[in-house]
Amino acid sequence: NAGVTQTPKFQVLKTGQSMTLQCAQDMNHEYMSWYRQDPGMGLRLIHYSVGAGITDQGEVPNGYNVSRSTTEDFPLRLLSAAPSQTSVYFCASSYSPQGAGEQYFGPGTRLTVT
Amino acid sequence: EDQVTQSPEALRLQEGESSSLNCSYTVSGLRGLFWYRQDPGKGPEFLFTLYSAGEEKEKERLKATLTKKESFLHITAPKPEDSATYLCAVGAYSGAGSYQLTFGKGTKLSVIP
Repeated sequence: NAGVTQTPKFQVLKTGQSMTLQCAQDMNHEYMSWYRQDPGMGLRLIHYSVGAGITDQGEVPNGYNVSRSTTEDFPLRLLSAAPSQTSVYFCASSYSPQGAGEQYFGPGTRLTVT
Repeated sequence: EDQVTQSPEALRLQEGESSSLNCSYTVSGLRGLFWYRQDPGKGPEFLFTLYSAGEEKEKERLKATLTKKESFLHITAPKPEDSATYLCAVGAYSGAGSYQLTFGKGTKLSVIP
């Protein structure tokens, strides 16, 4: 199993550009989520999904969109990048349909917005 | 609002020098406390789940314990390869009925040979 994979590993955007961060898992997990990690702050939940076709907002959803058309994939879209979105983004999945329990994290995408 | 506070922020230990990391929390309706390890440039890796006060879990040189207000990660005779940032998270159901994890800022552990 590859586990949770994320692409790209690094990305530089200009303010106002849009892009999609990709996330995929091969563990047949129903629950998937996106976090951002900033220096001096804990991981913060952006969006999550409890199954294909079902998504919901987390703690810091503004400026981001998600969709879940398959169990495996959970892309995160930045609509109009801002310097405040410079961060490391982690995708995670869990065997529990509600997201409870052990979560498996991807390797992260380091995003810089200039 | 759920809060998780980890202390100390950073800890330097000599190899073999045992110590403990602290995670204190305030949450309505705790549904699990989790410890993760994060190496530089990588995603967090799951270590332990604790659900009830008095519960303990062990893995190699690590032991996690839970009380009603805090959790400890005890490190016995650490080795340099134990150097990492250790994250604590609490799980709870929000008012809207969704389960969410709230993470602390982490403790950066350095073990010196």
